[in-house]
Amino acid sequence: NAGVTQTPKFQVLKTGQSMTLQCAQDMNHNSMYWYRQDPGMGLRLIYYSASEGTTDKGEVPNGYNVSRLNKREFSLRLESAAPSQTSVYFCASSEMDRTSYNEQFFGPGTRLTVL
Amino acid sequence: TQLLEQSPQFLSIQEGENLTVYCNSSSVFSSLQWYRQEPGEGPVLLVTVVTGGEVKKLKRLTFQFGDARKDSSLHITAAQTGDTGLYLCAGINYGQNFVFGPGTRLSVLP
Repeated sequence: NAGVTQTPKFQVLKTGQSMTLQCAQDMNHNSMYWYRQDPGMGLRLIYYSASEGTTDKGEVPNGYNVSRLNKREFSLRLESAAPSQTSVYFCASSEMDRTSYNEQFFGPGTRLTVL
Repeated sequence: TQLLEQSPQFLSIQEGENLTVYCNSSSVFSSLQWYRQEPGEGPVLLVTVVTGGEVKKLKRLTFQFGDARKDSSLHITAAQTGDTGLYLCAGINYGQNFVFGPGTRLSVLP
């Protein structure tokens, strides 16, 4: 099993360009998440999807859109990139089961620089 | 907005020393998790604590959840260079949402 995979690993964009970050998981998890990680600020939730067909905003959704394409895949789109979106982006998945403790499994991250 | 604070922000120690890092909040959480993140990788779960006052041991790592379910600590005994990394705590609220702290960056020197 590959766990959670993300593409690309690195990306450089110019201000105003658009791009989509891809994420896939092979653990049959219902819930998927997109986070950004900035120095000194930990992980901040951008969007999450509790199940296929549903998406919800997290703490910092402005400037982003998401698509839960199917149970495996959850993509993050930047429509018009801004330098403030320079960050490391992590996708995660978990089994949202109230009897378990919802371990999140993270991908390796995408390092995005917006010039 | 629920916030988690972690202290210290940075810690550099010699191999063999003991250390404790802290995770604090003014909010109550249903459970709390600790993750370790190595450079260039995503965080990996170390432990979940779910009961106020709970203590869990994982080899040289001891985790404690505060009685009031608002804080937690991670104690490492006889640190090794392989313990180097970013330690993140994550609180899970009763709505099953995660809140991450900013992390403690630990360097263990040989």
